[in-house]
Amino acid sequence: GAGVSQSPSNKVTEKGKDVELRCDPISGHTALYWYRQSLGQGLEFLIYFQGNSAPDKSGLPSDRFSAERTGGSVSTLTIQRTQQEDSAVYLCASSLTGGRGAPLISDTQYFGPGTRLTVL
Amino acid sequence: RKEVEQDPGPFNVPEGATVAFNCTYSNSASQSFFWYRQDCRKEPKLLMSVYSSGNEDGRFTAQLNRASQYISLLIRDSKLSDSATYLCVVNPVGGSASKIIFGSGTRLSIRP
Repeated sequence: GAGVSQSPSNKVTEKGKDVELRCDPISGHTALYWYRQSLGQGLEFLIYFQGNSAPDKSGLPSDRFSAERTGGSVSTLTIQRTQQEDSAVYLCASSLTGGRGAPLISDTQYFGPGTRLTVL
Repeated sequence: RKEVEQDPGPFNVPEGATVAFNCTYSNSASQSFFWYRQDCRKEPKLLMSVYSSGNEDGRFTAQLNRASQYISLLIRDSKLSDSATYLCVVNPVGGSASKIIFGSGTRLSIRP
């Protein structure tokens, strides 16, 4: 079966431009997560969706960042007026449930290959 | 204190050696635990879940110590292909949102 896909795989943009990153989770997975990872660093949590709602947006670094999810499936992460410090790999993951009293195994997150964003 | 802490390494060990590293977590209500591995410039992939009773998968053994709030990963007879960054993952559950927390990772390098 298909895994998590993300597009584009690479994005180079100029400072100040808006970018939109897309994530297509595994079919049937209700939970979707966005992370970003700078070179040599750990994963930084951005936002989490359960279905179409985002109960946890605590990781979004500023109001330039927003995300939505429609139909309980595809999600887009939008960064407005990009800055150089936004350069990173943006990873999306999905899991079968959001971990609320779910069996252990269904908390497993499956990651997409990421979008490498470079802001010049 | 960080919610999840790992020794960043790098751990540099010869092929065939046994290596172990720990990950500590601060939230005693944490419910589920995982080890992921991440190869250079690749996405993280699940290595194994960590069960309360400990679990083994081939050369890999994961253990959970709730009293001291840490999980461990032991790799026996290490192979060159084990070179990667190992991420500890903790799911605190509860509250209005569920957020799985990734450690910063431990870099492991196996030398011939």
